[in-house]
Order: sequence, then C-alpha cells, then structure tokens
Amino acid sequence: ETGVTQTPRHLVMGMTNKKSLKCEQHLGHNAMYWYKQSAKKPLELMFVYSLEERVENNSVPSRFSPECPNSSHLFLHLHTLQPEDSALYLCASSLFAGPTEQFFGPGTRLTVL
Amino acid sequence: GESVGLHLPTLSVQEGDNSIINCAYSNSASDYFIWYKQESGKGPQFIIDIRSNMDKRQGQRVTVLLNKTVKHLSLQIAATQPGDSAVYFCAERFPPGEGSARQLTFGSGTQLTVLP
Repeated sequence: ETGVTQTPRHLVMGMTNKKSLKCEQHLGHNAMYWYKQSAKKPLELMFVYSLEERVENNSVPSRFSPECPNSSHLFLHLHTLQPEDSALYLCASSLFAGPTEQFFGPGTRLTVL
Repeated sequence: GESVGLHLPTLSVQEGDNSIINCAYSNSASDYFIWYKQESGKGPQFIIDIRSNMDKRQGQRVTVLLNKTVKHLSLQIAATQPGDSAVYFCAERFPPGEGSARQLTFGSGTQLTVLP
C-alpha cells in the first residue's frame, strides 16, 4: 500500500541462527531506514542509508548488520540475537534523508527464542 | 477528548466527536514535526506534517497545531470515525548539528479508540 514491502512478515529464530530481513521500495526514494519497535516504547532508529551510503548508526549492537546494495533494497542481517531483540522491525524510505515524510513498510515481527 | 502524551496513553471518543491528541516534544530548536497513525498489524502511516515556521496546518479532517513556546504539538481529528482507531505518534526532527540531525525522534504514541 505504501510502496514499501518487507519480507518475511513473521520470523521466529533461535539465538544461534542467522537470518536476514529484506525491504524493497518502489517509490524512487534515495533514503532508507531501519527502525525497531518494541511494545510500549517509541520507535528506535537503527540505521539510515542515503544514496546507498550509511549515514547514521545509532549505536546498534554488531549482531545487527545492515546492507544497502542499491537505492531500492535494504537488508538487515541478524546473527546470535538475544530474546530482548524480539520486536517489530520496520523499514522506511523517504525522498531524501531530511525533513520529509517517511513511508513505512508493514514490518517484520521477529521472535527470538 | 484530549490526551497528553505518556501520562494518558489511551484516548476514547464517541464516533462523530472531535479528537485531540497531544504531544510534548523535547527540543525547542526542532524544525519539523510529523504525525503518524499506526493500525494494528501495520506500519506507521503519514497523516500530516508541519514546519516550525508555521503554527497551524490543515489536512482532510485533521489539523496540526504547533505551540513552540511550550513545545507542544497537537493533532485534531474532526468527526472521528471507527477507522480512526489506531495508535498516533508524533515525531520531531532535531536541528542540523545536534545529534541525529537528519532523523526523526518519535514519541511513544497514544491509543485512540472510537466508540460506537
């Protein structure tokens, strides 16, 4: 609906697994974002890419590794996660990395056992 | 009805009434603000935005008011409908040179429930 798609929509993984989240935007935007949304907490910005270059990393643990191969695709690689990493992971895009509307995907609901 | 950020995280209104959702933002120099709506099982959806050089902006059935003196943002929804039931977030953008200059900082949200 928003032009931003995320897969998978749901993911259950063990602490020793390696998995990846995928985001794709069909809007011709130049900036993409990863957010973490935990219950009853504000959205937490994790990573920002502008023109495929990472411009922001908000002190995210190294067990989360982003990748932006082109302006339309964004990945979040996960390894050796902890149960407290269980959350909704949202991808967003915007025309540019500035004061403008961000379009969000539906999110991936991640559960770490 | 009205709500005030974290102190009243839920707001219930009768269908057809007007809703007012409030937000206290943190940085007096923030220059851009957005309201998002998030329905259950979906990502946040843009509602309306406003720049700091304005104090009011209107959209379709929604109005955002900005009071920079007290760092307060409000979202007014006219003739609230059942489809308006959702969590509403405000977000601010810190000015250039301060921390995450190009990024939005979100509030924790207010759950709006529309009663039949």
